[in-house]
Amino acid sequence: KQEVTQIPAALSVPEGENLVLNCSFTDSAIYNLQWFRQDPGKGLTSLLLIQSSQREQTSGRLNASLDKSSGRSTLYIAASQPGDSATYLCAVLDSNYQLIWGAGTKLIIKP
Amino acid sequence: DTGVSQNPRHKITKRGQNVTFRCDPISEHNRLYWYRQTLGQGPEFLTYFQNEAQLEKSRLLSDRFSAERPKGSFSTLEIQRTEQGDSAMYLCASSLPGHYNEQFFGPGTRLTVL
Repeated sequence: KQEVTQIPAALSVPEGENLVLNCSFTDSAIYNLQWFRQDPGKGLTSLLLIQSSQREQTSGRLNASLDKSSGRSTLYIAASQPGDSATYLCAVLDSNYQLIWGAGTKLIIKP
Repeated sequence: DTGVSQNPRHKITKRGQNVTFRCDPISEHNRLYWYRQTLGQGPEFLTYFQNEAQLEKSRLLSDRFSAERPKGSFSTLEIQRTEQGDSAMYLCASSLPGHYNEQFFGPGTRLTVL
């Protein structure tokens, strides 16, 4: 059974710092991995999608990597801003086309 | 707006009442998914449709829950005899097979059962 874990559960850093969020999964048989952002009480915004054959994707200040063999992904945020404060969720698309989710990392960027 | 839409955005109901939510996927997306998210947790898969066929159902989907997608377009999720434990955000997503299998999410329906 696929399980997704995100560490840390919460992170608070000063504005301007670079930071890394971690995601691990137990079964490497995935179609893709997605990183999402969720603001309090709101829906999900897709940030980056990495196909199983890819190693990384970049969008602006965000860079996500995927190491399928070790079951790990990282989301790197450069030059963090207060507007980056949100919960970040990773999810893997398993062989049954179901997204299996981590519990998220709550990020607070202090001005 | 051509994204996934969900209605209503918020629903407050009393325990024991029935509620129904609607999801309109992105047009031409033939796969549609329902997820449930409780506070502080990641979403959990409930069910998914390919066109009008319901292909997968989670064990989370008790017999009080029913989902339909009658014409392969919009979908409804009904909860009968609601319980306080049903309080959650209900999320809908759609995807187009072959297009990276990327799922696009709606804004969700937040259900509060009093």
